[in-house]
Amino acid sequence: SQQGEEDPQALSIQEGENATMNCSYKTSINNLQWYRQNSGRGLVHLILIRSNEREKHSGRLRVTLDTSKKSSSLLITASRAADTASYFCAPYTGANSKLTFGKGITLSVRP
Amino acid sequence: GAVVSQHPSRVICKSGTSVKIECRSLDFQATTMFWYRQFPKQSLMLMATSNEGSKATYEQGVEKDKFLINHASLTLSTLTVTSAHPEDSSFYICSAPRQAYQETQYFGPGTRLLVL
Repeated sequence: SQQGEEDPQALSIQEGENATMNCSYKTSINNLQWYRQNSGRGLVHLILIRSNEREKHSGRLRVTLDTSKKSSSLLITASRAADTASYFCAPYTGANSKLTFGKGITLSVRP
Repeated sequence: GAVVSQHPSRVICKSGTSVKIECRSLDFQATTMFWYRQFPKQSLMLMATSNEGSKATYEQGVEKDKFLINHASLTLSTLTVTSAHPEDSSFYICSAPRQAYQETQYFGPGTRLLVL
């Protein structure tokens, strides 16, 4: 398994603005997943994009994947204060369901 | 959606004692569960893979005699921190795929361990 590296480490925006978070990884993947962690809680799966997909949408979430650059981005549109959390990407290589995580991105959405 | 629970949610113990943390899959059977630890404002570090009916697989650098893992049933994995010390204080989280080799994970709410 491999971990992704998220960027930026911290992001502060105003409610209603869009938040863009980036992830880079090193080796070939089967898919890439994004998770959210609210403070002091476990992680929640947000969205999965497969290696043969370039873009995927789920509600206010839009994720892109560029396998040639080994990078992904997560866009949250029309952010809300409730989106305040840490966000992690997890490149999945298909090895026994193992997921490893980077340091994540701390998103603060100001009301 | 699938639910994974952990117990206790918080525990404070004295140095030298052992602490057991339970991870349960409430509405599905999990042949595999994963244990992570997380320091404040840090990433989740994968500690081990818990396998039902067989020995756990530990990640490099994780002491298997220190962190005992038992996966005795298809819905329960336990992590025992033996002879806990203050440096073991951390946030411990478990996860499980709903089906074997499924790609996504369902995470428990975590257990905050404080060793005095």
